[in-house]
Amino acid sequence: QKEVEQDPGPLSVPEGAIVSLNCTYSNSAFQYFMWYRQYSRKGPELLMYTYSSGNKEDGRFTAQVDKSSKYISLFIRDSQPSDSATYLCAMRGSSNDYKLSFGAGTTVTVRA
Amino acid sequence: KAGVTQTPRYLIKTRGQQVTLSCSPISGHRSVSWYQQTPGQGLQFLFEYFSETQRNKGNFPGRFSGRQFSNSRSEMNVSTLELGDSALYLCASSSDQGGGNTIYFGEGSWLTVV
Repeated sequence: QKEVEQDPGPLSVPEGAIVSLNCTYSNSAFQYFMWYRQYSRKGPELLMYTYSSGNKEDGRFTAQVDKSSKYISLFIRDSQPSDSATYLCAMRGSSNDYKLSFGAGTTVTVRA
Repeated sequence: KAGVTQTPRYLIKTRGQQVTLSCSPISGHRSVSWYQQTPGQGLQFLFEYFSETQRNKGNFPGRFSGRQFSNSRSEMNVSTLELGDSALYLCASSSDQGGGNTIYFGEGSWLTVV
């Protein structure tokens, strides 16, 4: 079993829909949770960064972390065709641990 | 502020050769990490350097090595290339200023081994 599980999709939604992405993990030592967006043939771009449990909102993006369930989510409201990309969840342990463990990535297509 | 810069962006090598990839971190960032991304295995951690010292290493064979220079720039080297080494190699940098620090990636170096 992988340390971080993420449904690879693909996920196709109409423009304006809410995109819901999630990851589960098995390592209870993870404390820092991130979502990256990766366009084709580009490097991952940091979208959201959350420490421990709770919600964080940034514009159209909301990240949720439930450490008791080992489950994290990313919601994209009012999705746009420009949101079409692969979304990767990533996580790490202590503040001195720079090794990221990634999910497989979910490919999202927003149809105009 | 310039982002993480990786060179070269694309390269093709023959089996058995060796390759060196370069990474310049964001100015002021002292932690540099390397990752390998393939369609089958996804993003996998190779190693992390801080102040010219390797602090963490992933589960890759000894053919994969790296180093960091005093200006925080880093290089990774893969010797005796195999077809399976074809991948996107990503460099990431971080400011290493406590728990709130974030990790930023470069555009990557695309390596094709033929």
